[in-house]
Amino acid sequence: EPEVTQTPSHQVTQMGQEVILRCVPISNHLYFYWYRQILGQKVEFLVSFYNNEISEKSEIFDDQFSVERPDGSNFTLKIRSTKLEDSAMYFCASISYRDTEAFFGQGTRLTVV
Amino acid sequence: RKEVEQDPGPFNVPEGATVAFNCTYSNSASQSFFWYRQDCRKEPKLLMSVYSSGNEDGRFTAQLNRASQYISLLIRDSKLSDSATYLCVVNLPGTYKYIFGTGTRLKVLA
Repeated sequence: EPEVTQTPSHQVTQMGQEVILRCVPISNHLYFYWYRQILGQKVEFLVSFYNNEISEKSEIFDDQFSVERPDGSNFTLKIRSTKLEDSAMYFCASISYRDTEAFFGQGTRLTVV
Repeated sequence: RKEVEQDPGPFNVPEGATVAFNCTYSNSASQSFFWYRQDCRKEPKLLMSVYSSGNEDGRFTAQLNRASQYISLLIRDSKLSDSATYLCVVNLPGTYKYIFGTGTRLKVLA
């Protein structure tokens, strides 16, 4: 069964450092997402990406965040200068067509110390 | 009113019980509705999409009530393995966004 894969599964970084979270969406999917979940809280939308550009972003997705699809398979989330409050589980998701079910990767647990 | 609202629970039920969760949504133009299951520190996994006419998958039944703007999930004959958080997900019309509820925690007790 096709799946979304994310790497690394866990990343520990020092405050102020840059991190890149990587995702390989399902191959024939067209829409890609990043969500985050702070421990004990709800899953929050960060950004959606379609046709090689951001289609929407939330207020959380400020100038410290960027996304990229550097090749035909990878989809990355970069946080330029991490803060303690960026510590969370980051989930990548992809969908085949708009408004269909989203499939999530297993997540990257980011810990900023 | 929150975009998607759920009772966080926990719902503690004995094995074999029937349990139902509701989820309300604020945007009457929403068209796509889903129930996801999330185990502790894991990714959300699709349980079922919710169709206008209601749909069933084994022990799980999902219903949509557009007039009252809520969806429901019914679990029959609860198993210990059903213990998880159940997430209601609704699309935001005119956008690519999927909005999550806070989730409802279910504990099935032996």
